[in-house]
Amino acid sequence: DAKTTQPPSMDCAEGRAANLPCNHSTISGNEYVYWYRQIHSQGPQYIIHGLKNNETNEMASLIITEDRKSSTLILPHATLRDTAVYYCIVRGLQGAQKLVFGQGTRLTINP
Amino acid sequence: DAGITQSPRHKVTETGTPVTLRCHQTENHRYMYWYRQDPGHGLRLIHYSYGVKDTDKGEVSDGYSVSRSKTEDFLLTLESATSSQTSVYFCAAHSSGGVDEQFFGPGTRLTVL
Repeated sequence: DAKTTQPPSMDCAEGRAANLPCNHSTISGNEYVYWYRQIHSQGPQYIIHGLKNNETNEMASLIITEDRKSSTLILPHATLRDTAVYYCIVRGLQGAQKLVFGQGTRLTINP
Repeated sequence: DAGITQSPRHKVTETGTPVTLRCHQTENHRYMYWYRQDPGHGLRLIHYSYGVKDTDKGEVSDGYSVSRSKTEDFLLTLESATSSQTSVYFCAAHSSGGVDEQFFGPGTRLTVL
């Protein structure tokens, strides 16, 4: 699976959009981009995933660049409960989901 | 948590003793996983299972063994615990080999003295 690079930390004001970037320049054509988050030592929680088109669900939006070498997770109206570590993960579909977690981005939402 | 529980939630043990952690799921997921997380790090895969009695090693499998005799239970055993195995252990599960999300349990905090 391709390696990902994320900034170690980011801050965002409550109510504003939080934009979390991820670089995955070695992604291959059949690999998906996944985002998970981990709130204060709880188990990670799935947020969203995509292949090449932009995706949106009730939690977030995922914007993937046309060359698929980077992506951005957008939390449209961040709340204090969105403070967490966010992980960007790239994986293919073959076999088991052996997720490779990097260091992630520690997002702090400030009041 | 999608019906995934872990037991015990906290355990303190001594070096050299055997320890077994249990992951239980109620959603009939096919795939199950054990990860460990150390301070300041992301999760690392220890072992995983792709069906009853079918298991394989992950990135950091040394010193650990697993068993899955029933769909709903995935056991992680430390045959002889060492201080380096002090960590938080997370179990996860999902149903298909495709794109669906992986559900995680609440974690077990293990301290080996």
